[in-house]
Amino acid sequence: QSALTQPASVSGSPGQSITISCSGTSSDAGNYDLVSWYQQHPGKVPKVIIYELTKRPSGVSNRFSGSKAGNTASLTISGLQAEDEADYYCCSSAGGGTWVFGGGTKLTVL
Amino acid sequence: QVQLVQSGAGVKKPGSSVMVSCKASEGTFSTSTIAWVRQAPGQGLEWMGRIVPILGVTKYAEKFQGRVTITADRSTGTAHMELTSLRSEDTAIYYCAREINWFDPWGQGTLVTVSS
Repeated sequence: QSALTQPASVSGSPGQSITISCSGTSSDAGNYDLVSWYQQHPGKVPKVIIYELTKRPSGVSNRFSGSKAGNTASLTISGLQAEDEADYYCCSSAGGGTWVFGGGTKLTVL
Repeated sequence: QVQLVQSGAGVKKPGSSVMVSCKASEGTFSTSTIAWVRQAPGQGLEWMGRIVPILGVTKYAEKFQGRVTITADRSTGTAHMELTSLRSEDTAIYYCAREINWFDPWGQGTLVTVSS
């Protein structure tokens, strides 16, 4: 169960859109739509912002959206705001009741 | 709304064991799946395993097979995670979380430091 691959860092200016990729294999992200994304501010507990590939929990801004193409899932944040600066993690089912996370991406809002 | 409150841990010596507990705030515990996820300092999230309390069925990540045991006490609504043969690389914040097809909510996290 190797970790999903995410870029270590991405950045963008306020108002811009950014996309964070999450690359897996046909054994995890490529085979399941059970992909979720988590936002984690420094010293805080991870918070789910996307689940089941494209769904947003109540209270999460519609500026966050999820998608997938092949073995790669993506998180897009539109209209970047300063408060979006955080670490982001993807997670996918790896089958057999197991899960695998990505290595995390640090988002910097310039 | 379910809340998970963790307890336990602290500083442990290499080779010893640690147990972290996770108590659910309301009665949905038995019908939930509770997972354990850890985060080493400055590192990413790592799924360790899970338990379905109503069935007592567990599943562990390959990496932790043989070293981790997750149990659940339905009478107290508490899940426990025990990790044995601790080494310095096990220094991390350990989280419990309700596992649906995603993880929510999360416990507050428990820091385990492995140091001689």
